[in-house]
Amino acid sequence: EIEMTQSPATVSVSPGESATLSCRATQTIGTALAWFQQRPGQPPRLLVYGASTRASGVSARFRGSGSGTEFTLTISSLQSQDFALYHCQQYGNWPITFGQGTRVDIK
Amino acid sequence: QVHLVESGGGVVQTGGFLRLSCTASGFGFSTYGMHWVRQAPGKGLEWLAVISYDGTKTYYGESVQGRFAISRDNYKKTLSLEMSGLSPEDTAVYYCAKDGTPYSGTFPDSWGQGTLVTVSP
Repeated sequence: EIEMTQSPATVSVSPGESATLSCRATQTIGTALAWFQQRPGQPPRLLVYGASTRASGVSARFRGSGSGTEFTLTISSLQSQDFALYHCQQYGNWPITFGQGTRVDIK
Repeated sequence: QVHLVESGGGVVQTGGFLRLSCTASGFGFSTYGMHWVRQAPGKGLEWLAVISYDGTKTYYGESVQGRFAISRDNYKKTLSLEMSGLSPEDTAVYYCAKDGTPYSGTFPDSWGQGTLVTVSP
């Protein structure tokens, strides 16, 4: 099973600033990586798939990058609705696995 | 638009059985693989299982392999998850989700609101 490690566990950012979230896989997965946003009390929402392709309707402020074992989600000009929990998920190998999540808090 | 509604959650005793259902609408159900994912209180997401678009292939997460069974009925546009040998560690919100790629099993791109399963000691 591929383990996904997200860091940091929590990042505190001021509105208008940028946040960089990391996700690392224990084995290479090419670009088979997705990112999800989850607001309190809501189901997850797909942001990025294929490591860098934004899902339909997702703001260009969300940028995914990386390949192999190292991936990054950069959120620029943070707005109030961006303060949430973010998950990465690999689908390069069975079983599919998620990271433990990174919480983006208001500083 | 895609609409997924889970049902069947509730309180069950340790060692018990529960069957969850998910009713789908707004897309070609028989074209897409479907996932079950859960989230324990205050925790991250845990992928549980996926079933292929035609129901012929299934894959499971290590923690539920042999205890949970995923199935689908393309005529009724429903997805199911049968859970047995439940323990308090299975307490979570259970989500059904549609796969993002036709005829494949990759990443979920649409999610239901979830149903809560509580396993009492």
